[in-house]
Amino acid sequence: GQNIDQPTEMTATEGAIVQINCTYQTSGFNGLFWYQQHAGEAPTFLSYNVLDGLEEKGRFSSFLSRSKGYSYLLLKELQMKDSASYLCAVRDWGGRGGKLIFGQGTELSVKP
Amino acid sequence: DSGVTQTPKHLITATGQRVTLRCSPRSGDLSVYWYQQSLDQGLQFLIQYYNGEERAKGNILERFSAQQFPDLHSELNLSSLELGDSALYFCASSPRGSGSSSYNEQFFGPGTRLTVL
Repeated sequence: GQNIDQPTEMTATEGAIVQINCTYQTSGFNGLFWYQQHAGEAPTFLSYNVLDGLEEKGRFSSFLSRSKGYSYLLLKELQMKDSASYLCAVRDWGGRGGKLIFGQGTELSVKP
Repeated sequence: DSGVTQTPKHLITATGQRVTLRCSPRSGDLSVYWYQQSLDQGLQFLIQYYNGEERAKGNILERFSAQQFPDLHSELNLSSLELGDSALYFCASSPRGSGSSSYNEQFFGPGTRLTVL
């Protein structure tokens, strides 16, 4: 089966650092994505990991450990506009397809 | 703006009816994916088309069908609508069909909000 777990909600303070964890169990693995989604809007791409290690992209970093089925998204220097839902998604090795299996999302609230 | 367009933005209809949602992928992208997002289910993969052919299928109901046309736009048809079909329907596109050795990021359209009364 396929299962992706992430915390439902997190709260952090403006200017701080927050880490959002994601654990996954999938029948096949072909990369892990993080997306940001503001309420009622489209998900927007943040990061992609397919090999173990850390990928850094400005204020956002993402880490992957394939052996542990674990990833995290690190957001630094938090801003009020970072309040959103953060979605962890695994690309399934579905033969010829490239579908994404999404977690339920972590609702991040950034407080002043 | 991701470059993926979806119409209509909002759709309100009654139970038992049939609707068609339309998606135009980014220029040059060959794959189109359909996702459903409801409050209690999160983003659920429905179906993927690549260059006109069905490539992968998720938990798509038999009442739902999709196709991708020669100009690469796609339509999702929902029939015999039920209250539980009310959701945001997203279309995404990517350059290739799979991610075997490539990034192949998916770009999401703005979504169609379907309300079934």
